[in-house]
Amino acid sequence: QQQVKQSPQSLIVQKGGISIINCAYENTAFDYFPWYQQFPGKGPALLIAIRPDVSEKKEGRFTISFNKSAKQFSLHIMDSQPGDSATYFCAANLEGNNLFFGTGTRLTVIP
Amino acid sequence: DTAVSQTPKYLVTQMGNDKSIKCEQNLGHDTMYWYKQDSKKFLKIMFSYNNKELIINETVPNRFSPKSPDKAHLNLHINSLELGDSAVYFCASSLPFGEQFFGPGTRLTVL
Repeated sequence: QQQVKQSPQSLIVQKGGISIINCAYENTAFDYFPWYQQFPGKGPALLIAIRPDVSEKKEGRFTISFNKSAKQFSLHIMDSQPGDSATYFCAANLEGNNLFFGTGTRLTVIP
Repeated sequence: DTAVSQTPKYLVTQMGNDKSIKCEQNLGHDTMYWYKQDSKKFLKIMFSYNNKELIINETVPNRFSPKSPDKAHLNLHINSLELGDSAVYFCASSLPFGEQFFGPGTRLTVL
């Protein structure tokens, strides 16, 4: 059973555009929602994270929007750059450090 | 300095063999993990060790056994390898309730 649903599976964006990746969950016990970025041949790396008592968090060009009532959260990448091309994973944390990952979104930013 | 390291990076072996993957972290973290990433890039936790104690075992076959000789190391031993074990295996570590730092991964191919 997929605890965290992620869409789209792949995304192509023009340089300078906005990339949006969406995730949804059911378990209201999740207490922390990180996004990970993975480049080919590398391990995932934490990009940005949010806790459910906050509706938005921004770090540079990356913003998480969190809708607790809808049990949805999304990653927005502003002014997308070719260097942002990677696979992005949303995740949800349960009881300490038990992370459940989404299925990943392969982002391609074309010049 | 590499924070979380894994060896080997690539492992090619025959069905039925036994193999080990080693993981070391120099971050002073208390908790270490093993994840499996399948061909569709889906990441799923296999094990978690906190101060040398197993705290998560997510329905992984008992052919897989984590071994933690000390707080900085968590090795993964796999017996009687099967074709379906082919995947990328990631080690990670964290402080309690903290960000998980991933290693570079070990690509296991079972022939």
